[in-house]
Amino acid sequence: QVQLVESGGGLVKPGGSLRLSCAASGFTFSDYYMSWIRQAPGTGLEGISYMNSGGTKYYADSVKGRFTISRDNAKNSLYLEMNSLRAEDTAVYYCAGGDGHYGAMSDWGQGTLVTVSS
Amino acid sequence: DIQMTQSPSSLSASVGDRVTLTCRASQSISNYLNWYQQRPGKAPNLLMYAASSLQSGVPLRFSGSGSGTDFTLTISSLQPEDFATYYCQQTYSAPPYTFGQGTKLEIK
Repeated sequence: QVQLVESGGGLVKPGGSLRLSCAASGFTFSDYYMSWIRQAPGTGLEGISYMNSGGTKYYADSVKGRFTISRDNAKNSLYLEMNSLRAEDTAVYYCAGGDGHYGAMSDWGQGTLVTVSS
Repeated sequence: DIQMTQSPSSLSASVGDRVTLTCRASQSISNYLNWYQQRPGKAPNLLMYAASSLQSGVPLRFSGSGSGTDFTLTISSLQPEDFATYYCQQTYSAPPYTFGQGTKLEIK
């Protein structure tokens, strides 16, 4: 079955960096449209970065210039490099993917918590 | 940016009730509208895509409708496992796609 497993979250100081990983299995990863979606404590969902199967990348204004999405199809993995972290980046980060049909995210990981605090 | 507004923000209902949740877009998005359910402490789960298409494995008591700017998600007969927060998401504009703020469905 489809499985997405995030890792790399943790506590980091403001201005610091962190790299999130998402290991995928159970489907043809290279065909999937992948994303990182976050949820700050007690709030709703925010799509922050997307990457289609062709390699085109998109970012929300809130993270543009600080975060970088990438994928390694040979390793069935998705990454999010996060730099210049701020307190407002504190959230659960979900890896999610779909076949691109109407942009729907049909598969989600369990999430990894990133806490930015001094 | 396309803004998505859900109403109500919260709703109390009983098992067996029929409930309708609403999502409104700030501009026309055709039928590029998806619905997700999120139970406490869990990742979201795709319920509906393209406004009215039921995702595989989702119970038939869920249905969606709408086009343009106004959309609804209806649960025909609430079950205990349906008490959760529901989010709409537009995928009409270029990514990153925006979500509504959510509707929390609570047990009365």
